[in-house]
Amino acid sequence: LAKTTQPISMDSYEGQEVNITCSHNNIATNDYITWYQQFPSQGPRFIIQGYKTKVTNEVASLFIPADRKSSTLSLPRVSLSDTAVYYCLVGGAYSGAGSYQLTFGKGTKLSVIP
Amino acid sequence: DAEITQSPRHKITETGRQVTLACHQTWNHNNMFWYRQDLGHGLRLIHYSYGVQDTNKGEVSDGYSVSRSNTEDLPLTLESAASSQTSVYFCASSESTNAVGGEQFFGPGTRLTVL
Repeated sequence: LAKTTQPISMDSYEGQEVNITCSHNNIATNDYITWYQQFPSQGPRFIIQGYKTKVTNEVASLFIPADRKSSTLSLPRVSLSDTAVYYCLVGGAYSGAGSYQLTFGKGTKLSVIP
Repeated sequence: DAEITQSPRHKITETGRQVTLACHQTWNHNNMFWYRQDLGHGLRLIHYSYGVQDTNKGEVSDGYSVSRSNTEDLPLTLESAASSQTSVYFCASSESTNAVGGEQFFGPGTRLTVL
């Protein structure tokens, strides 16, 4: 079972770029890396997903080094509305007997300061 | 609009009672998941299903069961509720054909308190 580690919290000023790193040392060959955003009293919301190298969409970038033992979510020019908890999710590798593993990190609470 | 709903949104029950939490999605997604979220633990996978009649155990499945009789619904049953099962429960669905890859859409959550 892949174990993920994220910083508990981060602070950033509005307009800055924020990078949140997730460590997943025992990631399996077929595992994907996915990031979610969660606001209080809501379910998580998908941000971005990748397997290797760099992925970019309209809201974020995901950097994955060649060894895939970590990943970095990059949020450009954050605003107050980006204050939320961010989770990395590692999973997808077949673990036998018809089962797959999904492991969420414990989340990083991002606070954006005016 | 397609959506995923959970009911009830809040539930208080007593130790030993059977409790069923409902999850319904209208996207026609094959994959459905149940998670619990506790302070300090993040989200942990309870059970998941990749289609009708398919169910699989997740990381914290003890004391929980699911059944998938149609595409839209995956009810979660606590056979005999325990105080340790007090938590917020999230249901999710995805359409990915690549097992657990792809975007998961989460419901609004059910806050369960076991007294």
